[in-house]
Amino acid sequence: QKEVEQNSGPLSVPEGAIASLNCTYSDRGSQSFFWYRQYSGKSPELIMFIYSNGDKEDGRFTAQLNKASQYVSLLIRDSQPSDSATYLCAVNTGNQFYFGTGTSLTVIP
Amino acid sequence: NAGVTQTPKFQVLKTGQSMTLQCAQDMNHNSMYWYRQDPGMGLRLIYYSASEGTTDKGEVPNGYNVSRLNKREFSLRLESAAPSQTSVYFCATLHGPDTQYFGPGTRLTVL
Repeated sequence: QKEVEQNSGPLSVPEGAIASLNCTYSDRGSQSFFWYRQYSGKSPELIMFIYSNGDKEDGRFTAQLNKASQYVSLLIRDSQPSDSATYLCAVNTGNQFYFGTGTSLTVIP
Repeated sequence: NAGVTQTPKFQVLKTGQSMTLQCAQDMNHNSMYWYRQDPGMGLRLIYYSASEGTTDKGEVPNGYNVSRLNKREFSLRLESAAPSQTSVYFCATLHGPDTQYFGPGTRLTVL
């Protein structure tokens, strides 16, 4: 069983703050790590992926990976109300993807 | 949902009925996936197809069959629906790690 764990939240942050979302995984053979955003009633959309230890930045989003600790995180800087959604973490092993249950984020204006 | 379509959007079945969920993409992506999403369970992979003519089981394949009819289409069949298959089903495509798209989903209720 390949497990991906996320804190379900809800996580609330004020507008303009940094939101920090965390994810741990159990399979050390996992190769790539992904973050998705899912608005209520909609399908997931890919935000970022990372496969090397360290940080990867894309606009207001930064993904952080620590393979030794089996930990991946997503930071959202200057959070906006439009960032309010559920954020899904996923890991990729071979051709298969394993998802966490998601963290609900609310950005308060 | 750029280029990934799913039909139907909603479906209600009685236990034991069969149905096929259709997925089509116009992006020429090789890999296609079927997921189900249940409250508190996250997305779980049912089947995937790495290329036309190949299919493989995912995490929760029991009770489902798939067909990769051609590069564009990947269908999911429930031969004898059960209430435990009540879920939202998503089709997805993959063309490299930074190019993934999900369809709009099919909400299935099995009574």
